[in-house]
Amino acid sequence: DIQMTQSPSSLSASVGDRIIITCRASQGIGTYLNWYQQKAGKAPKLLIYAASSLQSGVPSRFSGSASGTDFTLTISSLQPEDFATYYCQQSYSIPQTFGGGTKVEIK
Amino acid sequence: EVQLVESGGGVVQPGGSLRLSCAAAGFPFDEYAMHWVRQPPGKGPQWVSLISGNGGTTYYADSVKGRFTISRDNSKNSLYLQMNSLRTEDTAFYYCTKGGDYGDYRYWGQGTLVTVSS
Repeated sequence: DIQMTQSPSSLSASVGDRIIITCRASQGIGTYLNWYQQKAGKAPKLLIYAASSLQSGVPSRFSGSASGTDFTLTISSLQPEDFATYYCQQSYSIPQTFGGGTKVEIK
Repeated sequence: EVQLVESGGGVVQPGGSLRLSCAAAGFPFDEYAMHWVRQPPGKGPQWVSLISGNGGTTYYADSVKGRFTISRDNSKNSLYLQMNSLRTEDTAFYYCTKGGDYGDYRYWGQGTLVTVSS
């Protein structure tokens, strides 16, 4: 199985900050990497698919990039509604696997 | 608008069975692969199972292989998960998801909670 290592596991940030979350795959997965946002009591929501494609309706302050087996999710200017937990997921091979999550909290 | 509505969750004893259902609307159901993804309370999501659009191909996580069966009825726009020999570690919210072009989970239902406890 492909292991997805996500970091940091949590971070504290202020409104307006730029934050970066990283995800490293244990082997090559091309650009089959997706990012989700989850708020308490809700289902995860797709933000980015294919490493860098923005899902329809997602604000442009969210962006994704890839370099080899390293992937990043960037929020350019954190908004109050962005405080949530973020997960990466590889869809390159079965079983599809998730990273451990990054909880973004208010500083 | 894509809608996915799960049902069938509940409390069951270890060794018991449950059948989850997912009613889909707002897209050509038979053209898309569908997944079940679960999330134990307080933990991250875990992929459970995948079925192709015509139902001819299925995949399972090792942790549920031989115990869970995914199926679909395209005439009813419905997805199912038959869960047998349930274990305490199967306790989770179960979500049905519509597959995207990159194997992503583009749309999710609201989830249904399965609790396995004596």
